[in-house]
Amino acid sequence: GENVEQHPSTLSVQEGDSAVIKCTYSDSASNYFPWYKQELGKRPQLIIDIRSNVGEKKDQRIAVTLNKTAKHFSLHITETQPEDSAVYFCAATLSGTYKYIFGTGTRLKVLA
Amino acid sequence: GAVVSQHPSWVICKSGTSVKIECRSLDFQATTMFWYRQFPKQSLMLMATSNEGSKATYEQGVEKDKFLINHASLTLSTLTVTSAHPEDSSFYICSARVEGWGDEQFFGPGTRLTVL
Repeated sequence: GENVEQHPSTLSVQEGDSAVIKCTYSDSASNYFPWYKQELGKRPQLIIDIRSNVGEKKDQRIAVTLNKTAKHFSLHITETQPEDSAVYFCAATLSGTYKYIFGTGTRLKVLA
Repeated sequence: GAVVSQHPSWVICKSGTSVKIECRSLDFQATTMFWYRQFPKQSLMLMATSNEGSKATYEQGVEKDKFLINHASLTLSTLTVTSAHPEDSSFYICSARVEGWGDEQFFGPGTRLTVL
């Protein structure tokens, strides 16, 4: 079946540094790629998303890039802060449906 | 806008009993609702997709007779875990989407189920 690989599984950065999380998807017809932040015991919170007809999108300290040819997309967080510490999930839609396939998650820890 | 609620937020039950979880879209009518299960330190796994007034579509490996989904209205979907066992203990999260609003799903706060 289709899947989404996510790396790294854990990431520690110093406050103020940048963090990059990468995902690779298998369904070449996926057309929507959201990123979620999830704190322990809470709902996933959409932080940014990108559609397949766009290569890059930015929202303040957060950006997402998409390489359709390579089927890669990445989350970039600049000037990280301790409150950015959480688990981040990427997802991709399954072609022909509105279903999401989630990546395995990245536990980000920002050290003060 | 686009608020999804779940009830209860947590539940503890004895093995062999059934538990019902409600998912409501509070300020919009959901075309489709999704049910996910998330085990500790793992990702969200889609269990089933439901549309109002029709039978749910279950993902491979999900027992439809064990996880009963009813989508009686455009604002309410329920998941019933029948004859729950300790291995069913998990975080159950619903989401909803609206036709015409794009691909975004709006997530509920989740229900923590613990089966003793």
